[in-house]
Amino acid sequence: EVQLVESGGGLVQPGGSLRLSCSASGFTFRSYTMHWVRQVPGKGLEYVSGISSNGGSTYYADSVKGRFTISRGNSKNTLYLQMSSLRHEDTAVYYCVKDIGGSYSFDYWGQGTLVTVSS
Amino acid sequence: QTVVTQEPSFSVSPGGTVTLTCGLNSGSVSTNYYPSWYQQTPGQAPRTLIYSTNTRSSGVPDRFSGSILGNKAALTITGAQADDESNYYCVLYMGTGISQGWVFGGGTKLTVV
Repeated sequence: EVQLVESGGGLVQPGGSLRLSCSASGFTFRSYTMHWVRQVPGKGLEYVSGISSNGGSTYYADSVKGRFTISRGNSKNTLYLQMSSLRHEDTAVYYCVKDIGGSYSFDYWGQGTLVTVSS
Repeated sequence: QTVVTQEPSFSVSPGGTVTLTCGLNSGSVSTNYYPSWYQQTPGQAPRTLIYSTNTRSSGVPDRFSGSILGNKAALTITGAQADDESNYYCVLYMGTGISQGWVFGGGTKLTVV
């Protein structure tokens, strides 16, 4: 059974930093592109970032480019999102998402971790 | 700026058929965009319904189908049920390079009434 478990969310002040983690199991983690998608409570989904299976290619939404860094530890089956220079508008639930593989789409989603940026 | 468009809301009667669409503010949606569809109920993580335009994800009933209709991607629900009342999001793959990899539509709130 595929499982994606996010952690690391919480309350942070504007301008601060936070690192999210996503622990993956039930599939060969090192073989799949992985993504982060976020959702402001009560609003729609927004694509944040993606990373190829070997970590060699990364993708960022314009809204986070230069502030967020995606990475992965294939030996630990873990996906990361380092967030810095956080803004109020980064407040959201952040989902870890597995790529289907070969179809530029997503299949499994974690339950999400809430990041709140507030003073 | 690329904007993926969806109807903000839609209503369908129980047992009825509804088609939700996913378009682009400039240009047409084709299979090259690998349109996919996701269902989300409040408080829950999204669930994958359709990928690569028309491939159903594992366990998704065949009353959900995907297609290209005209210049848009479409999600059709045939024989709507009460528990289909959810938010539905489409995603388009924009490619790499200077473009955003993936862009979500704003979502459609489907009411079954």
